[in-house]
Amino acid sequence: NAGVTQTPKFQVLKTGQSMTLQCAQDMNHEYMSWYRQDPGMGLRLIHYSVGAGITDQGEVPNGYNVSRSTTEDFPLRLLSAAPSQTSVYFCASSYSRGQGGDTQYFGPGTRLTVL
Amino acid sequence: AQSVAQPEDQVNVAEGNPLTVKCTYSVSGNPYLFWYVQYPNRGLQFLLKYITGDNLVKGSYGFEAEFNKSQTSFHLKKPSALVSDSALYFCAVRVSNSGYALNFGKGTSLLVTP
Repeated sequence: NAGVTQTPKFQVLKTGQSMTLQCAQDMNHEYMSWYRQDPGMGLRLIHYSVGAGITDQGEVPNGYNVSRSTTEDFPLRLLSAAPSQTSVYFCASSYSRGQGGDTQYFGPGTRLTVL
Repeated sequence: AQSVAQPEDQVNVAEGNPLTVKCTYSVSGNPYLFWYVQYPNRGLQFLLKYITGDNLVKGSYGFEAEFNKSQTSFHLKKPSALVSDSALYFCAVRVSNSGYALNFGKGTSLLVTP
């Protein structure tokens, strides 16, 4: 299994540009999510999905869109990039079972810089 | 709201000594608590979790954590630190009504010196 993969690893955008961060998992996990990591702030949840066709907002959803057309893929779209979106983005997935949920597996991250 | 706090930005310990990375939580209802580790330029890796049952939870790489309900704490521990344990450690709690999303602490940088 490749686990959770993310592309690209690095990206530089200009303010106002749009782009899609790709995330895929081959573990047949129902649950997928996107976080951003900023220095001194830990990880903050952007959007999540509990299954194909079902998405919802997390703590910091503004400026981002998601869709989940398949179990495997969960792309994150930046509609009009802003310098405040400079961050490291992590995708995670897990089975949805039990009260506490299962272990979440994280991708290697995408480092995004918006100029 | 479900939240965790990590009071220390950095913990320094000598190799071979025991280490503790602190975490306190604030939740309504039963807490589902996790520890993750992040090595430089890598994603997060799961260490251990507390859902229910024994207060002492054993995890990967020799780490363990003690759930203390009266002190609302979930400190990460290891009896003998290794230089290779140097990394960024995150405590997290499951968020209610958000699937299986996690709220993370700000992270604690652990430095183990030879």
